[in-house]
Amino acid sequence: KAGVTQTPRYLIKTRGQQVTLSCSPISGHRSVSWYQQTPGQGLQFLFEYFSETQRNKGNFPGRFSGRQFSNSRSEMNVSTLELGDSALYLCASSLGIGNQPQHFGDGTRLSIL
Amino acid sequence: GNSVTQMEGPVTLSEEAFLTINCTYTATGYPSLFWYVQYPGEGLQLLLKATKADDKGSNKGFEATYRKETTSFHLEKGSVQVSDSAVYFCALSDSSLTQGGSEKLVFGKGTKLTVNP
Repeated sequence: KAGVTQTPRYLIKTRGQQVTLSCSPISGHRSVSWYQQTPGQGLQFLFEYFSETQRNKGNFPGRFSGRQFSNSRSEMNVSTLELGDSALYLCASSLGIGNQPQHFGDGTRLSIL
Repeated sequence: GNSVTQMEGPVTLSEEAFLTINCTYTATGYPSLFWYVQYPGEGLQLLLKATKADDKGSNKGFEATYRKETTSFHLEKGSVQVSDSAVYFCALSDSSLTQGGSEKLVFGKGTKLTVNP
C-alpha cells in the first residue's frame, strides 16, 4: 500500500512569492492534516481537511490556506512568503473517524531566500 | 488547551542500555496518545499508540503505558540499538472535544536520541 506522497521534496523561493505544496494521502484515507516543523517552534498544526471540508485550523495567518479535492488529495498554499516561513511542511493522512493514527509523508522542505 | 511535555534531551546512550523518555500531558477530555519517531531527512513514523487508560502500546521493543492518574505516557526500551538513533515525539489527539471530530495532533518538543556502538 503506497504511503503518503508529498511533492515537491524541496523548494527554494524568495520573499513575496507564493508557493503551492501537494499531498496525496494513503488510499482510503479521508482526512488530511498539515503541520509546520521548525527548530524553534517544533511541530505546529496548520489545518485539517475531511471530505473536502476544513475541519480544524491552527493559529496561522491567512496567508496560509489549503484545500482538499474529491479524491482526498490536498494542497496548501502560502502567499507573500516571509523568511520565517522556511520550514519542513508535513502532510499526514488518516481514516478520519476519530483519534486514528496519522500517517506522515516525508515532507516538503521550503527555504525562503 | 491540550498540551504535551516531554524531556528534551539530547539523550546519549551506549548500545544495549535501557531507555526512558518521559512524557506527560494535559487534556480536558479522553485523548489518545502516540509516540512518533523521525529519522534524519524523513517524516514522522508512528511507533506506538494507546487509546485509553492502562492501555500499553508496544512495537519494535518499545513500550509505553497510558497512565491517567499521573497523566503520563513514558517511552521505554530495554536494550537500545544504534539504529534507534532518531528524534522521538510524544503526541495526543482528542477528537471528542473538537468541532467535527478533528484528529489534530498536539506534539511535545521532541527528544533526540543518539546510541553509540
